[in-house]
Amino acid sequence: DSGVTQTPKHLITATGQRVTLRCSPRSGDLSVYWYQQSLDQGLQFLIQYYNGEERAKGNILERFSAQQFPDLHSELNLSSLELGDSALYFCASSVGQAGRNSPLHFGNGTRLTVT
Amino acid sequence: AQKVTQAQTEISVVEKEDVTLDCVYETRDTTYYLFWYKQPPSGELVFLIRRNSFDEQNEISGRYSWNFQKSTSSFNFTITASQVVDSAVYFCALANYGGATNKLIFGTGTLLAVQP
Repeated sequence: DSGVTQTPKHLITATGQRVTLRCSPRSGDLSVYWYQQSLDQGLQFLIQYYNGEERAKGNILERFSAQQFPDLHSELNLSSLELGDSALYFCASSVGQAGRNSPLHFGNGTRLTVT
Repeated sequence: AQKVTQAQTEISVVEKEDVTLDCVYETRDTTYYLFWYKQPPSGELVFLIRRNSFDEQNEISGRYSWNFQKSTSSFNFTITASQVVDSAVYFCALANYGGATNKLIFGTGTLLAVQP
């Protein structure tokens, strides 16, 4: 058990809808990262937050947004969903923002299916 | 640009065979981290090892060993006496060292199937 908690485990929704994925980092970790894993794109970095502030942005679509709250949990919001958004979404956490002394620990992921 | 290449898409071995998973990386940074993660059929990503570019010593942990060669930009992973439970997708990843973020750049993964 990595200590990173993601909910829900599975999500099935229709095109055009909006969903929210939730992540609680490991105790003591200040950084949260979101990754998308799809068959055609592999594991893609979406966005990182450190102690409530955005730190790095990857291949995140404008329809997607994220935030990290004062209690350090994070939410990834996906809107105007398309079939191609179906993927496994991972959250990871680490102690620092640059993590010299800590690897990323991943949650079990949320499997999103858009029908 | 940073890039990780895992040329082996799929490997199938019989239990007790040794198997090596290849990883080649590209980076302009002189200092960086390299990682291996395991993704079993259940889907979670499990951290296996982190190595920084200062340390080229090979590492052994039980049946797992890692060979880091800066000269060839490779960080290969060997499983000795493979077991069915080793069946998974294995990802190699690269991260900055000392930058503003330690986001990981992943390779495309190698699916290892260990047959009984």
